[in-house]
Amino acid sequence: AQTVTQSQPEMSVQEAETVTLSCTYDTSESDYYLFWYKQPPSRQMILVIRQEAYKQQNATENRFSVNFQKAAKSFSLKISDSQLGDAAMYFCAYRSNNQGGKLIFGQGTELSVKP
Amino acid sequence: DAGVIQSPRHEVTEMGQEVTLRCKPISGHDYLFWYRQTMMRGLELLIYFNNNVPIDDSGMPEDRFSAKMPNASFSTLKIQPSEPRDSAVYFCASSFRRGREKLFFGSGTQLSVL
Repeated sequence: AQTVTQSQPEMSVQEAETVTLSCTYDTSESDYYLFWYKQPPSRQMILVIRQEAYKQQNATENRFSVNFQKAAKSFSLKISDSQLGDAAMYFCAYRSNNQGGKLIFGQGTELSVKP
Repeated sequence: DAGVIQSPRHEVTEMGQEVTLRCKPISGHDYLFWYRQTMMRGLELLIYFNNNVPIDDSGMPEDRFSAKMPNASFSTLKIQPSEPRDSAVYFCASSFRRGREKLFFGSGTQLSVL
């Protein structure tokens, strides 16, 4: 079975600085996708960025980028120029392109941004 | 489109009562997921459907939980009888196809079992 692990329950960053959130996963599949979702206090789940496992190039979305290391099964999220609005819970997620499209989440990392 | 619609937004009930949570996915989406979120366990996948058929219910905690999807536009998650440890936020999410497609989440149901 696939698992997703986020080893940092909490992280803190100074406004305008850079922070990296860690995520590792375990799978025997080769065809899958990885996601980072953001959950602010409103409870809304917001897609931040996604990565196709077959692509070597790391995905980027404005201030957000990933470091995808397929062999190491690592998928970290880097937030550059952190803003107060980035404060939220961040979830790493794995979605199989087989086995019915199951999507599972890590335990989450709560990010606080200090002004 | 109005997005994924869940009801109720809040539910307070007493231990032993039956609870039914409802979800209307986005029209055209063929995947529907039920998740439970707690501080201790994070976001747990309870069950998911593809084309109204349950694909994996291995996350359903016990027989007190059941889920149905009678048609493409409606799903329910039922807890009978409810217990205080069932208190959590329950999310419904839907997506079109699988793979790279993102999930669209409802606003969740905050369940409190007293």
